[in-house]
Amino acid sequence: KQEVTQIPAALSVPEGENLVLNCSFTDSAIYNLQWFRQDPGKGLTSLLLIQSSQREQTSGRLNASLDKSSGRSTLYIAASQPGDSATYLCAAQTSGSRLTFGEGTQLTVNP
Amino acid sequence: GAGVSQSPSNKVTEKGKDVELRCDPISGHTALYWYRQSLGQGLEFLIYFQGNSAPDKSGLPSDRFSAERTGGSVSTLTIQRTQQEDSAVYLCASSFAGTGNTIYFGEGSWLTVV
Repeated sequence: KQEVTQIPAALSVPEGENLVLNCSFTDSAIYNLQWFRQDPGKGLTSLLLIQSSQREQTSGRLNASLDKSSGRSTLYIAASQPGDSATYLCAAQTSGSRLTFGEGTQLTVNP
Repeated sequence: GAGVSQSPSNKVTEKGKDVELRCDPISGHTALYWYRQSLGQGLEFLIYFQGNSAPDKSGLPSDRFSAERTGGSVSTLTIQRTQQEDSAVYLCASSFAGTGNTIYFGEGSWLTVV
């Protein structure tokens, strides 16, 4: 059974810092790894999707990497802004039907 | 609309009542997912529909939960004889078929059982 863990559970940083969120998964037989953002009281917004054959994906100030062999993914956020404050979730897809989510990292970026 | 639409956005119901939650996926998306997010918990998979294939119901927590998808589009999640532990946000998502496609979530239906 796939298990996904995110560290840290919460993170508070001053505006402008670069930061790294970590995600680990137990079963390396994944199709892809996805990162989502969830704002309070809202649904999830997809940020980046990394296919199992890829090593990283970039979108603006966000960069996600994937190391299947070690069961790890990281989300790098450059030059953080208060608007980046949200909960960040990673999810490993191991079948067409199943995304297994971590419990998220709650990020606060202080002005 | 352009996104996944869910209704109602909020529902308060009495213990023992039945509730129905609706999801309108993005047009053209053949895959549809239901997840549950309890307060302070991660997302829990409930059920998955893909085209005309038999749904993957392996995540439904009890036989009080059921879901259907009519015409390959709109889906309804039904909870019978609601219990307080059913209180959660029920999130619907959709995507194109296949495992390499971005999954789009609705904003959820917030269910409170009193």
